[in-house]
Amino acid sequence: DTAVSQTPKYLVTQMGNDKSIKCEQNLGHDTMYWYKQDSKKFLKIMFSYNNKELIINETVPNRFSPKSPDKAHLNLHINSLELGDSAVYFCASGRIRGEQYFGPGTRLTVT
Amino acid sequence: AQSVSQHNHHVILSEAASLELGCNYSYGGTVNLFWYVQYPGQHLQLLLKYFSGDPLVKGIKGFEAEFIKSKFSFNLRKPSVQWSDTAEYFCAVLGSGNTPLVFGKGTRLSVIA
Repeated sequence: DTAVSQTPKYLVTQMGNDKSIKCEQNLGHDTMYWYKQDSKKFLKIMFSYNNKELIINETVPNRFSPKSPDKAHLNLHINSLELGDSAVYFCASGRIRGEQYFGPGTRLTVT
Repeated sequence: AQSVSQHNHHVILSEAASLELGCNYSYGGTVNLFWYVQYPGQHLQLLLKYFSGDPLVKGIKGFEAEFIKSKFSFNLRKPSVQWSDTAEYFCAVLGSGNTPLVFGKGTRLSVIA
């Protein structure tokens, strides 16, 4: 059973397009997260949702909009993609102040 | 704001050598501490965690870490590395309240035969 799953695994698109990444967890956690890992492997939190409510929003351009239809899902929509958005995006889930479980990542390439 | 420093960017070891990866954090309050591993092309996996109690914690695959509160450190150790330990290792710190999990920049470990 996959605990945290993301789709798609790879996403190649052109500048200016709009794209979405989906994330689902079957661990029963209340909190879900989006992270961005850049080309130097640096991981930074983007958003965190607890019980479908946004609790962390870390200086991310408003072209990025997370949506949590229920506790098990946290999707990431990106408008007007830019070259600098190319990265690996990881979804994670966990309990508040506990360990987080990461999805397999989505490698986004903007050309 | 909290921050995490991992001193070694890239460590190269021979198989059976001992490993110690440094991690220091800056945060004045109570922290939860983690080490994650990322094997090439894969997602992050939890190696071990410290919340409270015994400052020496044991994780999976023979790894352990020691929390030294006075030094704000949480170093990762393994007595004898294997080729399969080749990966990127991330230290992470979680402060109190709704603070986010903050990662260090990672240490790449290469184990050679």
